[in-house]
Order: sequence, then structure tokens, then C-alpha cells
Amino acid sequence: DTGVSQNPRHKITKRGQNVTFRCDPISEHNRLYWYRQTLGQGPEFLTYFQNEAQLEKSRLLSDRFSAERPKGSFSTLEIQRTEQGDSAMYLCASNPAANTGELFFGEGSRLTVL
Amino acid sequence: AQSVTQLGSHVSVSEGALVLLRCNYSSSVPPYLFWYVQYPNQGLQLLLKYTTGATLVKGINGFEAEFKKSETSFHLTKPSAHMSDAAEYFCAVSGLDSSYKLIFGSGTRLLVRP
Repeated sequence: DTGVSQNPRHKITKRGQNVTFRCDPISEHNRLYWYRQTLGQGPEFLTYFQNEAQLEKSRLLSDRFSAERPKGSFSTLEIQRTEQGDSAMYLCASNPAANTGELFFGEGSRLTVL
Repeated sequence: AQSVTQLGSHVSVSEGALVLLRCNYSSSVPPYLFWYVQYPNQGLQLLLKYTTGATLVKGINGFEAEFKKSETSFHLTKPSAHMSDAAEYFCAVSGLDSSYKLIFGSGTRLLVRP
């Protein structure tokens, strides 16, 4: 049973560049979540998918952010025209249809914007 | 709206001493409650959860938590701290809306002194 996988684990980019993160959830988990975590803070909800449908987006998800889950399996989170304030850990989580409430988290993708 | 408050951003204990990390929640519906642990540069790992039933919940690594509805609390305890317990701990609440997303507290960093 493989866990939630995120790539890349670390990304350093210059301000204004675009970056994309990928998340592979646990097989057969139909819900997938993206969170952002800045230093010294708890994870903040960004968005979630049920299968391929994006059902909720936080106000934190500005128009420079876009997330997709085209086939209801893996998901991508793209940030366009990165800003220094985007520097954070981006966490992906999934949970199954027979919900136990628990989210299963990946190890995160750390973004540093110079 | 649901929220979680973790009292104390840092808690320091001696090895072998009692660990007590505090969590209070706000929820308009019976909540599901969770404690997650995060080691440096890693994702979140579930320690324990309360959904329904017994209010004293036992988790991994000797941790336990008690759901007290009257106090809206879900404090995490461990009788005897070990050096390997040093990490960041997050309390979270799920309000069982259709998203099942978790709302996290700001975290408590546990330091264990030899």
C-alpha cells in the first residue's frame, strides 16, 4: 500500500516564474486535498476534489493558482508568476469514499521563491 | 465556522516527564477531532482521532487524548516523554460537511530535554 506521493519535494524558483506540483493520492481515494503551510503555522486548506470535480476553493487560492485532477487520479497545482509570499510547503492529502474523517498526507513540496 | 486553538506554541519537557498539549475547538456540530504529528521537512502523520463512542482515545507512540464536550477540549497527553517525541503537533477538527476537510490549529512544538 503506497502512500500519497508528491513531486518535486523541493523547488527553488525566481520570482515571476511558473511552478507545478504533482500529487498522486492513495489508490482508490476519491477525495484529494491541497493545503499550504507556512513556517510556524498549521496547514491551511486551499482546495479539494471529489474524483475529477473541484468542489471547493479557499479564498487563499488566488487567480495565479490553478489545480486540476483531470482523470480523477493524480492532481497538479500550478502557481503562475510566483511571488516571494508563495514560499511555503504545499501539502497534498487524500481520503477514501468510505470516509473515516482522516486525511492521509504526503510529505509535501517545499517552494522557495527568490 | 469551525476553529481550533492550541495554547502554547512551544512546550518544553524533560525526558520521562508528562506531556500535555492543549487543544480547544469550536464547532456547531459534533466534531471529529484529530491530532497529527509532523517531523522536520515531512508531511503529517495521524496520531489519533475521535469520531464517536469512547471519549478517551489511544493513539500511536503512547499518546492519548480525551474528548470533553463540556470544555470543548481535546488535549493530548503522554505519561513519559521520549527524545523521539520532539516534533510539531497539530490539532484538527472536521465538521462533517460534504468536503470532510480538516481545519488545523497553529501547532505546538514539543521540545524534549535530556
